[in-house]
Amino acid sequence: SQQGEEDPQALSIQEGENATMNCSYKTSINNLQWYRQNSGRGLVHLILIRSNEREKHSGRLRVTLDTSKKSSSLLITASRAADTASYFCATDNGLYRNEKLTFGTGTRLTIIP
Amino acid sequence: EAQVTQNPRYLITVTGKKLTVTCSQNMNHEYMSWYRQDPGLGLRQIYYSMNVEVTDKGDVPEGYKVSRKEKRNFPLILESPSPNQTSLYFCASSFYPWGATNEKLFFGSGTQLSVL
Repeated sequence: SQQGEEDPQALSIQEGENATMNCSYKTSINNLQWYRQNSGRGLVHLILIRSNEREKHSGRLRVTLDTSKKSSSLLITASRAADTASYFCATDNGLYRNEKLTFGTGTRLTIIP
Repeated sequence: EAQVTQNPRYLITVTGKKLTVTCSQNMNHEYMSWYRQDPGLGLRQIYYSMNVEVTDKGDVPEGYKVSRKEKRNFPLILESPSPNQTSLYFCASSFYPWGATNEKLFFGSGTQLSVL
């Protein structure tokens, strides 16, 4: 079953604009991660936010986590053509020494030059 | 260079012909995992391994086998492939010290498998 679900499924914006995508999940978590995938290639880790954190920044990325709503958002500021990719959230199931990481279905982001 | 290496990148086979997709990591990671990616379904975990000789089923293990005889290698075996196993497969690994929760995964470049 899908733990994380991204929204929207697809997003197209002009270069320079900000892109926001959301992830909702169902059970408690220890942490939530965001990954990026260029077409058909392996996923690349972007950022990890722990359940006791509310916001985290990394370069042009800003991630928020609301555990009461079981949701997270990824904001990419000042988008570039190179940001065109699919973005996935991944969650554990909140257990100690959890071994499973579950991915959502992803948001396909297209940056229009 | 730290990496997860999968081979082959592309594979076309016929129903019932046993195949193995290899995965190797050079980061001394304890945790390794296999995922398959299908349109509209995202990534689904097939099997994972916490360490040598320790493996367990993920969400979609049917039709697959794995082994972890060495820390660096985690091959995926399809004993009798069927067309519904046509998919894009990814191997991943992560550092997993005792007492930790999930850390970031490092992914291989993927194997596109077509079963005719």
